[in-house]
Amino acid sequence: GENVEQHPSTLSVQEGDSAVIKCTYSDSASNYFPWYKQELGKGPQLIIDIRSNVGEKKDQRIAVTLNKTAKHFSLHITETQPEDSAVYFCAASINGGSQGNLIFGKGTKLSVKP
Amino acid sequence: GAGVSQTPSNKVTEKGKYVELRCDPISGHTALYWYRQSLGQGPEFLIYFQGTGAADDSGLPNDRFFAVRPEGSVSTLKIQRTERGDSAVYLCASSLAHSTDTQYFGPGTRLTVL
Repeated sequence: GENVEQHPSTLSVQEGDSAVIKCTYSDSASNYFPWYKQELGKGPQLIIDIRSNVGEKKDQRIAVTLNKTAKHFSLHITETQPEDSAVYFCAASINGGSQGNLIFGKGTKLSVKP
Repeated sequence: GAGVSQTPSNKVTEKGKYVELRCDPISGHTALYWYRQSLGQGPEFLIYFQGTGAADDSGLPNDRFFAVRPEGSVSTLKIQRTERGDSAVYLCASSLAHSTDTQYFGPGTRLTVL
């Protein structure tokens, strides 16, 4: 089955710096890769996602890149702000068939220091 | 509009007891997922409903866990003979249709088994 590895487990940056979180996946059939932000005591919130027919996607300060050959994808946050502090999860799934469940990485705790 | 809601937000029970956790998906969403999140980990898939039927229950850890969705909307996760190892946050997510990717998560139910 699918396995998703996420690095680093913790990341501390100064406000205004960039943050990069990387994930690798094992199942080449995976075709959907969302990123979720989870604040303490809350459920995961989707911040951006990418499908396997796209190499890069950007939404304001957030971007995601996908390398299907290497089976890895990354989250890039530019101009970080203290409110970006949270745990970020990458996930992968095989979409469109009888499946659809997400396989999550173990998360990255991002701390943005003012 | 209203998001995914889960009740109760917290549940404390004793070992051996039976518990029910409820999920109200986003109105009109036909796909519903249950995940379990242990401390410091990413969510782990339990079961996926498409309408009233369980399309994939491969993530349920054992036969003490059961879930229903009788009318294709609200779902209940049922845990019999609870064990201390069942303590976790149980997350529910819904999406528009099985072939539509975006899963929207509820705030979760924190279950503590004493």
